[in-house]
Amino acid sequence: QSALTQPASVSGSPGQSITISCTGTSSDVGGYRSVSWYQVHPGKAPKIMIYDVTSRPAGVSNRFSGSKSGNTASLTISGLQAEDEADYYCSSYTSSSTFSVFGTGTKVTVL
Amino acid sequence: QVQLQESGPGLVKPSETLSLTCTVSGGSINNYYWSWIRQPPGKGLEWIGYIHYSGSTYYNPSLKSRLTISADTSENQFSLRLRSVTAADTAVYYCARLRWGRYYFDYWGQGTLVTVSS
Repeated sequence: QSALTQPASVSGSPGQSITISCTGTSSDVGGYRSVSWYQVHPGKAPKIMIYDVTSRPAGVSNRFSGSKSGNTASLTISGLQAEDEADYYCSSYTSSSTFSVFGTGTKVTVL
Repeated sequence: QVQLQESGPGLVKPSETLSLTCTVSGGSINNYYWSWIRQPPGKGLEWIGYIHYSGSTYYNPSLKSRLTISADTSENQFSLRLRSVTAADTAVYYCARLRWGRYYFDYWGQGTLVTVSS
C-alpha cells in the first residue's frame, strides 16, 4: 500500500486561501468517506482538523474545510494565519491489508 | 479532555526489542480502539497497528512478524513491543485513539523519539 500523494509544500500570504490535495485510489480515498486531516507542529501532539471528508471537530476553526472529488481529497485553509504554519497529513481507511494509510505530508508556509 | 502520553527508552540497540507504553488520562481505554503510529526522521506518518480494549488487535502487515500490542485496562494503558529492531525503526512513535467505523484518530500523544543505534 503506497502512501497517499500530497504536494511537498504549499505557501501563502496572511489572509489568503490555500488548498492541499491528497490523491489516492478507489481502494482508499475514492472508495470511502473515511478521509481525515491532521495538523502537526514540531514537538506537539498531532491535531485532527477534518474527519469524514468534510466534518470539523469542535474547537477547530471554520477556516478549515475539506472536500473530495473522485480519488482526490482536499483541505482548504482560508484567511491564512501565522499559526497555521505546520505540516499537514491526510489519512484514509483502505480496503487493503494495511487498514489505514497516510499521505506524504505537506509543509504549509505563511509568507 | 482525554490525554495520551508515550513513555519508554529513547535509545535501543539493533536486534533488541523496542518497548513503549501509552498512558491514557481523562478517560477510560474501555470501549475504544487505540493505535500506534510512527514517523521516521524526514518522512511521513506510518500506521503501526491497533488494539481494542478487549484485546483484539490488527497489525500493519509490514511489521506483523515483529510486533505485539497489548492493553492493561487496570492501568489504563496500552503498549507496543517491536522485536529485532534495525536503524529503519528509528522514528517518533505516537499513540492515538482510533474512532472505529469512521477510522480517524481523534486524540494523540505528543510522540517520543526512539533511536536504534549501538
